[in-house]
Parts: sequence; structure tokens; C-alpha cells
Amino acid sequence: KNEVEQSPQNLTAQEGEFITINCSYSVGISALHWLQQHPGGGIVSLFMLSSGKKKHGRLIATINIQEKHSSLHITASHPRDSAVYICAVRPGNQFYFGTGTSLTVIP
Amino acid sequence: KAGVTQTPRYLIKTRGQQVTLSCSPISGHRSVSWYQQTPGQGLQFLFEYFSETQRNKGNFPGRFSGRQFSNSRSEMNVSTLELGDSALYLCASSSGAYNEQFFGPGTRLTVL
Repeated sequence: KNEVEQSPQNLTAQEGEFITINCSYSVGISALHWLQQHPGGGIVSLFMLSSGKKKHGRLIATINIQEKHSSLHITASHPRDSAVYICAVRPGNQFYFGTGTSLTVIP
Repeated sequence: KAGVTQTPRYLIKTRGQQVTLSCSPISGHRSVSWYQQTPGQGLQFLFEYFSETQRNKGNFPGRFSGRQFSNSRSEMNVSTLELGDSALYLCASSSGAYNEQFFGPGTRLTVL
């Protein structure tokens, strides 16, 4: 049983396209994290959110606590957005991670 | 501010050996968490330390242990290494338990 499910697993887009990555979770949480991992392993925290919507540049994250669902949107995608995007939740004392969405943006 | 640093970056060990990995958090951060990432299992939570106390622990055997020092630097130790312990080990620091985490570059451990 996976506490966190992400979709799609793989995504290929043309530069400039609008991208949506989805995350559903089955546990009660205090916050949800979106992480970005580039080839080579380094992980960057993109968002931590517990309600509503957050925006950083071309990235937008939304969360619906009642539906236990979050989305990460990338507007005007660029090849440098190519990475694995990981959703993570923290119900109490544990962290649970999605399996990641591998995004490739083609010029 | 300097980011999270991990040493060593790469490590090769043989089965049965033990290994110690080090993590230096961002200055002022008192919380350090450790994660294991493998192609098969993805990212998994190992443990979390705050002010030298282990606050949370994931579902890993007792061969995996850690500690945190008074300067917030943390080490994790894996004893009696198994082939399946080959992974990228990441640490992350934050100013508090439920705050944003900042990840280090990871230590890639290969067990032969």
C-alpha cells in the first residue's frame, strides 16, 4: 500500500507547454512537499504547503486537503525543468514519498 | 550561508564492513534528517535528529544508526553492510521539524 501516489510516472513535453503533475495521498498530513531532483542526485525543495496555493516563478503548487490531492504546475516549460519531481507528505513522525515523475522537456 | 554538506560523496565498501557518513547542516539549523534512495524503493526516511535527540525513525533494521552532535552535525552508521545497502544517502537540515528542508548532495554508497 502506497501512502503517496504520483501521476504520471513519466512525462515528455515540448518547450513552452503547460505541465501538470499530480499527487494523491491517503494519510492525514500537516504539510506536503514538492521536491525536484536533477540527474546526479541533488534534491531541491520547491514547495512546502498545507493549504491553498503557492507560486514561485513559473511553478505553481496547489493542495486540496479534503480531497487529499496536490498538483504541481509548470508554465512555459523549459529544457532546464527536466528533472524528477517528487511529492512527499509528513503524517506525524514519518515521511512518505511518491515514486516521482520524470519530466523531459524537449527544445 | 553555506549549504548542507555531506562527506564523503562516494564510497565503495564490501559486504560485512561498516560505514559512517557525515552531514553538516546549514548554520543555525538544529534538525537533521537522513534518507535512503534506491532505484527499487525510491526515497525512504531513515531518521530525524533534533538537538542531539533522535526524534523519529523509519522502518530500517538496527544496523542503521545515527547521532547528532552539539554543533548539529550528524553522522549515520551502517554496520554489517549488505549488497542491498547500496544507495544514495541524503541528509537534509531544517530550522524546525515542520519547516522546509534543505538537502545535501548525498553520499553514493556502493557495496560489493
